Amino acid sequence: AQRVTQPEKLLSVFKGAPVELKCNYSYSGSPELFWYVQYSRQRLQLLLRHISRESIKGFTADLNKGETSFHLKKPFAQEEDSAMYYCALAKGGADGLTFGKGTHLIIQP
Amino acid sequence: KAGVTQTPRYLIKTRGQQVTLSCSPISGHRSVSWYQQTPGQGLQFLFEYFSETQRNKGNFPGRFSGRQFSNSRSEMNVSTLELGDSALYLCASSWDRGAGGYTFGSGTRLTVV
Repeated sequence: AQRVTQPEKLLSVFKGAPVELKCNYSYSGSPELFWYVQYSRQRLQLLLRHISRESIKGFTADLNKGETSFHLKKPFAQEEDSAMYYCALAKGGADGLTFGKGTHLIIQP
Repeated sequence: KAGVTQTPRYLIKTRGQQVTLSCSPISGHRSVSWYQQTPGQGLQFLFEYFSETQRNKGNFPGRFSGRQFSNSRSEMNVSTLELGDSALYLCASSWDRGAGGYTFGSGTRLTVV
C-alpha cells in the first residue's frame, strides 16, 4: 500500500529565511504528487502538482524518484505562508489521495 | 464558477443514529472523493466515485457507504454512529479521476454524542 510521510509536525522559521517542508513517499508504481495548503479557517486548496513543475506563491517542489521525495521549498518565507501543509499522493489512474499527516508551518516576524 | 459545496456544514447526532452528508462537485467534474479528517489520524481516504461507480474504497468499516448520482452529486452515509466517527468530512471533486488535482469543499463537521 502507498504511504506518505511528513516527518515534521511543526516547523518554525523566521520571515525571510528559506523554508523546506519534507515529504517522502512509498509506492511501487508511478505516482502523482501534490502539495495542499490549509490556511486558518479556510478550505484545503491545491498548491502544487509535480507534473506541472510550476511555482506558486514562490513555492517549488521537485519529484526525486530515486529518493522517493517531493520536498516543498521557498527561498524567502513570508508571514502569510503560515498554514498547514499536506503532501499527497495519487496512484496512476487516481483513485483518491493518500495524505501525509501534515506540517504546521509558522513564520515568525 | 461555484466551488465544491457540502451540506450541511454542521451536524450533531446521537450514537446509534445514521447520517447522510451531501456533496455537489464543480460543474463538469465527474470524480468525487470523500475524506475523514481528525486530529489524531489526519486526512484519511474514504472512497472515490467516477461516473456513478465506486472506484476505490479506503480502510473503513462497512458502516460507511456512499453513492454518486447521474449529475455527479454524491452522498455518503454513516450508519450506527459511534463516538469515534466525530470528524470533519471533506469532499473533493476532479474533472477526470484526479487529473489536474482535486478541489475540496469546506467540509461537514459531524459530532456524535
